[in-house]
Amino acid sequence: GAGVSQSPSNKVTEKGKDVELRCDPISGHTALYWYRQRLGQGLEFLIYFQGNSAPDKSGLPSDRFSAERTGESVSTLTIQRTQQEDSAVYLCASRKGGVSYGYTFGSGTRLTVV
Amino acid sequence: TQLLEQSPQFLSIQEGENLTVYCNSSSVFSSLQWYRQEPGEGPVLLVTVVTGGEVKKLKRLTFQFGDARKDSSLHITAAQPGDTGLYLCAGNTDKLIFGTGTRLQVFP
Repeated sequence: GAGVSQSPSNKVTEKGKDVELRCDPISGHTALYWYRQRLGQGLEFLIYFQGNSAPDKSGLPSDRFSAERTGESVSTLTIQRTQQEDSAVYLCASRKGGVSYGYTFGSGTRLTVV
Repeated sequence: TQLLEQSPQFLSIQEGENLTVYCNSSSVFSSLQWYRQEPGEGPVLLVTVVTGGEVKKLKRLTFQFGDARKDSSLHITAAQPGDTGLYLCAGNTDKLIFGTGTRLQVFP
C-alpha cells in the first residue's frame, strides 16, 4: 500500500487479557520499528527489525511484550496479561534504506486497558 | 542511555510571531531528524540534517544542526495556526531516539 497501515486503530481490553497489534509496512521497506507513545509524551522505542537480522529488542519494557515479523512483511506486537500502564498509542514505522532515510509512521493503535 | 531534551516543552503564541525550539543531547548522532505530529496521526518527517553546522530551510521553517552534531534547533518565522502540533527531534543511530517533544499552539 501507499503508507504504513496499523490495525486495529483503537483497542479497549480488560486488564489481564492478551492483545495483538498489527503493522503492514510499505512494500520494499526493509526496516520496521515499534514505538510506544504515552499521552502527551514523546516516542519510546520498543523493537526494531532489519531484514533477516536478529531483531533489536532492547526497548521492550517487560517479557510480557513480544513482536514478530515474517521476512519484510507484516509485523505483530503482542502484549500478554495487559496492565493499565500499557495504555498508550503504539506506533509502527518502516524505513526504505539506511539510517539517513526518513521513517514513515502509521497512525497508530490506541490501546486502553480497563 | 542516549537522551534528547527538547525545550520548551510547551509553547503558545499568536499568529505572526517567531519561535525557536531546541534539541540537545550529550551524544553525537550521525544525523538528526525533525518530525511533526498532529493528534491521532503518526509523526511526519520534516527534515534530515547530516553535516555539523548544516542549515536547511523549508518555507518558513529553518533547521540547524550543531557543529558537534549533538544539538539542533528549529526556527519558525511568522507562525501560522497550521503550524500547531507536536514537534519531535530524533537522533539517528541504528534506530531513532526521539526527543521529549515540544507542543506548539498558534492562535489566530
